[in-house]
Amino acid sequence: GENVEQHPSTLSVQEGDSAVIKCTYSDSASNYFPWYKQELGKRPQLIIDIRSNVGEKKDQRIAVTLNKTAKHFSLHITETQPEDSAVYFCAALIGINFNKFYFGSGTKLNVKP
Amino acid sequence: DVKVTQSSRYLVKRTGEKVFLECVQDMDHENMFWYRQDPGLGLRLIYFSYDVKMKEKGDIPEGYSVSREKKERFSLILESASTNQTSMYLCASSWTGGAQYGYTFGSGTRLTVV
Repeated sequence: GENVEQHPSTLSVQEGDSAVIKCTYSDSASNYFPWYKQELGKRPQLIIDIRSNVGEKKDQRIAVTLNKTAKHFSLHITETQPEDSAVYFCAALIGINFNKFYFGSGTKLNVKP
Repeated sequence: DVKVTQSSRYLVKRTGEKVFLECVQDMDHENMFWYRQDPGLGLRLIYFSYDVKMKEKGDIPEGYSVSREKKERFSLILESASTNQTSMYLCASSWTGGAQYGYTFGSGTRLTVV
């Protein structure tokens, strides 16, 4: 099966700095990679995703990059704000018909004002 | 507009009790999932269902069973609760062939077994 590793487990940055979270996956058949943000006491929410035929995707202050050869993908948050503080999960989906995700272990991001 | 509803936000049960966690979705999704969330371990799949009365084991099914009698409802059952099942349980749903549009998660049930 798929194995998704996520680093770092905790990340503390100063407001305005950039934050980068990295994930690696093991199954080259994985073709869809979403990122979820979970604020304290709330459900995970999809914030950005990338498909295997794309190398980079950007949405305002967040971006995701994918390196299929190396089997890793990263979340980049620029100009961080205190409301970015949350736990972020990466995930990998194997095939459309499998319909289940393998999640990373999560990164707790703390943005200090 | 809540789309995936978990019946209880917090539950406290005794060791050995039979526990039912309920999840209901109103999006007509074929797929439903139960995960447990533990610090440092992320989200681990317990069971999933891709159709009514159909179920598949996830990565950590031991000690759990599920039931899906109706499309909109997916129940997680702890046959005999144990303290190591104390955790946050998250339900999610998605369309078949539409998982690439992401899951919709419930708000979670924090279960404490004493």
